Order: sequence, then structure tokens, then C-alpha cells
Amino acid sequence: GAVVSQHPSWVICKSGTSVKIECRSLDFQATTMFWYRQFPKQSLMLMATSNEGSKATYEQGVEKDKFLINHASLTLSTLTVTSAHPEDSSFYICSARRVLNNRVTPETQYFGPGTRLLVL
Amino acid sequence: AQKVTQAQTEISVVEKEDVTLDCVYETRDTTYYLFWYKQPPSGELVFLIRRNSFDEQNEISGRYSWNFQKSTSSFNFTITASQVVDSAVYFCALSDIRDDKIIFGKGTRLHILP
Repeated sequence: GAVVSQHPSWVICKSGTSVKIECRSLDFQATTMFWYRQFPKQSLMLMATSNEGSKATYEQGVEKDKFLINHASLTLSTLTVTSAHPEDSSFYICSARRVLNNRVTPETQYFGPGTRLLVL
Repeated sequence: AQKVTQAQTEISVVEKEDVTLDCVYETRDTTYYLFWYKQPPSGELVFLIRRNSFDEQNEISGRYSWNFQKSTSSFNFTITASQVVDSAVYFCALSDIRDDKIIFGKGTRLHILP
């Protein structure tokens, strides 16, 4: 089966520091990855779409300068939370879209296990 | 605009009871996908089912069953003979075929009491 990993699974940092979260597709190539954020007891909200080799597309209300996304290879996308503040504390989840037989459909999206960020 | 509504915020039932989680969606697309995911306390999303808009057949998988009613834009999920391990947050979600963005409902927190 398709596996997506995230690293780290937990991170605690001081306010003002930057934190990098990695999302890797372990056994398939992913031209597109998605980043979601989930606050406690709330739903998953899509933050941005990350396309390999091009700029990410951000959802309305998401600060592109604060949440830097880099999709440098077909198996890795990174999300960097710059100058993190306590309000950025959240659960960040990525998903990777797998291409099967040259077809891409929403059913071929696989989610990572998530990264919990706590900013003190 | 696409929207998924899960009106039930939290449900508690006693073990072995049946429970149905409601999901109503809105979309202007004629082709779309519907999903259910389970999120246990660990946080990891567990994929349960995907249904495309052209397939209105109901599905059963063990104790789980899904009822897709296009006429009422609903995609309800029933757990039969619930177990404590079913306790989790369940998300209904919707996606179109244009950009694969998955829109999640707010989730229903299910407590199965022993």
C-alpha cells in the first residue's frame, strides 16, 4: 500500500523560531501534495497545494510568507512555519496524490500521520 | 461552492448499539467524490470509503455501511453493533475532479460506552 510519512511527529519550539515539517511519499511518486491544518477539536482545513517543481498554491487566508512550502522532489514536500507563534500551534497533516496508470483522482490521495506543533 | 455538513457534533451510545452518522453535502459539480475518514485519538486519518457521484449503490463492509442518496445530497454512515474501538472522530468529505482538493466536514465525535 501507499505510505506517507511525516517528520517530526512532535515538535515543541519557542516563539519566534522557525520549524520545518517534512512530508514524504515512501513507495510512490507524488507530483502533488496537500498541507492541512487542524486545530483542537476542529476539522481539517486545507492550507495549500504543493506541486513538484513549481510554486505552491495557497488557500485564501493562509499567509504564504509565513508558511513556506517547498516541493523539491517527487517524494518530498516541506512546510516551514516561519517565526512561529503560539497561535500556530496545531496539528499539521499532509497528503500525497499518487499517479496510477497516468490517472490522478482524489481516491489516490494518501494522508500522513500528522505533526503536532506546540509553540511556547 | 462546496460544503459538507455534519450536524451531529458529538454522539454517545452504549456498546453494541447501532449508530448512524449523518452527512449532507453541497456541490454544483455533477461529478464528485465523497469520503468518510476515521480519526482516532492518535490523530492519524484512517480512510474508510470513497464513493463517486455516479455510484449510488449502498455499501457494506463488515459492521460498517454507507447510504448514498443523491436526491437528498446525503452520504450517511452506519456502524452496526458498535464497539469501544469505534470511538473516534469521523469526518465526511467531498472532492471534485478538477483539483482534487478534499473539503472536510466538521466531524462527529463518537463515544462508544462500555
